[in-house]
Amino acid sequence: AQSVTQPDIHITVSEGASLELRCNYSYGATPYLFWYVQSPGQGLQLLLKYFSGDTLVQGIKGFEAEFKRSQSSFNLRKPSVHWSDAAEYFCAVGTGNQFYFGTGTSLTVIP
Amino acid sequence: DAMVIQNPRYQVTQFGKPVTLSCSQTLNHNVMYWYQQKSSQAPKLLFHYYDKDFNNEADTPDNFQSRRPNTSFCFLDIRSPGLGDAAMYLCATSRDLGFLDHEQYFGPGTRLTVT
Repeated sequence: AQSVTQPDIHITVSEGASLELRCNYSYGATPYLFWYVQSPGQGLQLLLKYFSGDTLVQGIKGFEAEFKRSQSSFNLRKPSVHWSDAAEYFCAVGTGNQFYFGTGTSLTVIP
Repeated sequence: DAMVIQNPRYQVTQFGKPVTLSCSQTLNHNVMYWYQQKSSQAPKLLFHYYDKDFNNEADTPDNFQSRRPNTSFCFLDIRSPGLGDAAMYLCATSRDLGFLDHEQYFGPGTRLTVT
């Protein structure tokens, strides 16, 4: 069965520091991969998605993610974090009409 | 210019008392989804409507029902809420099925408390 793992429940970074959020998936073939962000009191917003092609994907708000087949990973990165990036981040995997979210990583940004 | 609206944002109900959560959309999308998100867990798809066609996930309890009277509105009915049904309920829409090509747009969610 497909699954998505986000090993870090909570991460704290300083404003201006770089960020990497981890995501690992389990699926027999190449899945379709997504990152969503959920700000407090808001719905989920799509940051970026990977279907095929270039393994480095650019998203909104300065985020990027890299698909690594050998590691079954799709980690989210940002070179310089802003205070407004504090939120919950969800990785998700999709196959056909099935869609699975990870349990999320909560990001705190300190001044 | 809210696109997916959920009302109320916070709902308290009593054990066993039926409750209805509401979702509306201004996007004119064909598909509407309901997800359940328990504390510190991933959102879990309960069911979706493609136009008027209802599609239930295999493991969604019978206690959960849904109605879609028109394109814009979709309701989640919990017939006899138990303490385990306390969660955030997320509504989402997409233009068509096949989320690979059709992004899901999420509402802010309704947090349900069962006392």
